[in-house]
Amino acid sequence: DAKTTQPPSMDCAEGRAANLPCNHSTISGNEYVYWYRQIHSQGPQYIIHGLKNNETNEMASLIITEDRKSSTLILPHATLRDTAVYYCIVTQGGSEKLVFGKGTKLTVNP
Amino acid sequence: EPEVTQTPSHQVTQMGQEVILRCVPISNHLYFYWYRQILGQKVEFLVSFYNNEISEKSEIFDDQFSVERPDGSNFTLKIRSTKLEDSAMYFCASSEWYSTGELFFGEGSRLTVL
Repeated sequence: DAKTTQPPSMDCAEGRAANLPCNHSTISGNEYVYWYRQIHSQGPQYIIHGLKNNETNEMASLIITEDRKSSTLILPHATLRDTAVYYCIVTQGGSEKLVFGKGTKLTVNP
Repeated sequence: EPEVTQTPSHQVTQMGQEVILRCVPISNHLYFYWYRQILGQKVEFLVSFYNNEISEKSEIFDDQFSVERPDGSNFTLKIRSTKLEDSAMYFCASSEWYSTGELFFGEGSRLTVL
């Protein structure tokens, strides 16, 4: 089973920041937080990952709380093409397979 | 940008028939995976493959399933005798390093078993 809890759905206005929360209260010290998204029925797409520091790339920012029990994925200026299911996954990487939960269905509205 | 390619995009087959789904991973990647997603359900891990052998497999990956890397570029998933419940989207993925959870997924092959 997935080790994370996410809201089933969220809405965001185009051009505004989308903040997607994830709870992972049982995360262990050597586990990373990964975010993927799945647009319609396409293959999942890697977005970003982090261990304990906040991370930013060209797609998004990842904010991880100091106790690492939760995180937030931030899409700074959401577009209609960001409408997708977003998955928060906790994994050691490598030896562990990715366990996908139900994710958050983000709808970006015009 | 390099990508994982999968063929066919959609296959319809009769129950009991053999199906082979093909994938071309990103060329410098060493680790390969198959996941599947039944319509409306979660993405599920099937199998991981490295150095010409299975690294890990899930309970779903029973004796009806097999994987192979027949040459330097292709990675295949074979279902020997398809069942109705095998109808799903099958995703191939690859990664450069085993120590990363950063997988690159293909667009998927939709399998419909009648």
